[in-house]
Amino acid sequence: DAGITQSPRHKVTETGTPVTLRCHQTENHRYMYWYRQDPGHGLRLIHYSYGVKDTDKGEVSDGYSVSRSKTEDFLLTLESATSSQTSVYFCATTSSGTGAYNEQFFGPGTRLTVL
Amino acid sequence: GQNIDQPTEMTATEGAIVQINCTYQTSGFNGLFWYQQHAGEAPTFLSYNVLDGLEEKGRFSSFLSRSKGYSYLLLKELQMKDSASYLCAVRDRGSQGNLIFGKGTKLSVKP
Repeated sequence: DAGITQSPRHKVTETGTPVTLRCHQTENHRYMYWYRQDPGHGLRLIHYSYGVKDTDKGEVSDGYSVSRSKTEDFLLTLESATSSQTSVYFCATTSSGTGAYNEQFFGPGTRLTVL
Repeated sequence: GQNIDQPTEMTATEGAIVQINCTYQTSGFNGLFWYQQHAGEAPTFLSYNVLDGLEEKGRFSSFLSRSKGYSYLLLKELQMKDSASYLCAVRDRGSQGNLIFGKGTKLSVKP
């Protein structure tokens, strides 16, 4: 398994506060992704990165920003948390985005509750 | 538009065989993945299909028909530990090969 850690694993915060989630990988994978998972919606892509300082929006990017200053770290920031952002957040990595047979490896997830 | 459909829930008996279907309509196609996700855990990779046909891996097999936009995951000799959600995901040809996930099928295995 790819070495992917997420921090924090659980967080409770209040509406309007900024929140940053961290994803750290030790596999030197080029591609990193942030997803959210909600009942009835499955996994939805928030943002992704295809290299250091190279990022792009996914399906549900409003209210989120990301940064990737090093290969191993991908940060997700909620600028001003809202209750609709209560979710489980997963980070994922892969060595190649379009190469044959490159599955994504997932981190353990962060459960975020916005009160 | 992009759409991936799977049944929401299924129930099967220990020792039996179950087939989980996935149909997809996407703007591009560069492979289909199946993931397993136990409650409260991260998804883990099960199988990958990019060409038509059946891929077998132990008790699990996955089938793909690109012309029909259809795949299934076949689980044989069901065990209680197979109770989990099964996620179908299509890799888009563009957009850096991002995965588009279905909503998942929750499988309950009964004794």
